[in-house]
Amino acid sequence: GESVGLHLPTLSVQEGDNSIINCAYSNSASDYFIWYKQESGKGPQFIIDIRSNMDKRQGQRVTVLLNKTVKHLSLQIAATQPGDSAVYFCAENKESNDYKLSFGAGTTVTVRA
Amino acid sequence: NAGVTQTPKFRVLKTGQSMTLLCAQDMNHEYMYWYRQDPGMGLRLIHYSVGEGTTAKGEVPDGYNVSRLKKQNFLLGLESAAPSQTSVYFCASSVGQYTYNEQFFGPGTRLTVL
Repeated sequence: GESVGLHLPTLSVQEGDNSIINCAYSNSASDYFIWYKQESGKGPQFIIDIRSNMDKRQGQRVTVLLNKTVKHLSLQIAATQPGDSAVYFCAENKESNDYKLSFGAGTTVTVRA
Repeated sequence: NAGVTQTPKFRVLKTGQSMTLLCAQDMNHEYMYWYRQDPGMGLRLIHYSVGEGTTAKGEVPDGYNVSRLKKQNFLLGLESAAPSQTSVYFCASSVGQYTYNEQFFGPGTRLTVL
């Protein structure tokens, strides 16, 4: 079926190291892939998106990579900080579905001091 | 700007009771959404609206109704609450066409149905 999911439910990272959060998707017809961050007790917050015809996109301390051959999406966070501790969700949408977001289950990132 | 606000923050209902969750946004956004989030899961879309006076079904619409009488407000109703509707409910909004990826979320409403 059409779904977006994450490889690992939890990730522990040392402060200052780079984090890599992975996501596998099955719907090759998606137009966009998006990453959201959710801190404890708060609503999700948009991080970055990437159009399906791109391989890489960079933001502030974050990079999203899209590998359409293996249907894999990743979010890289440089120099991970304590404030990066959160649950990270990948999502996808497509024009033919009114661009409604379909979320994966999430990866909980814990930053160790 | 307050962004997206949700009322109430917490609510406990008995099975069969009804209630309305209110979402308000002050960003003049066209699109608004209601999601539910269950433990260990991502968000699932209940209903959404692409403009004042319009609503559409999402992934899990059964047992819920919505209304968008004013552009800034999006109401989610439960006519007869069931324990399966125990969840955290999030409202979101986005500017509209071409900016649908960046949705702005409210703080959530934690609903327990006994």
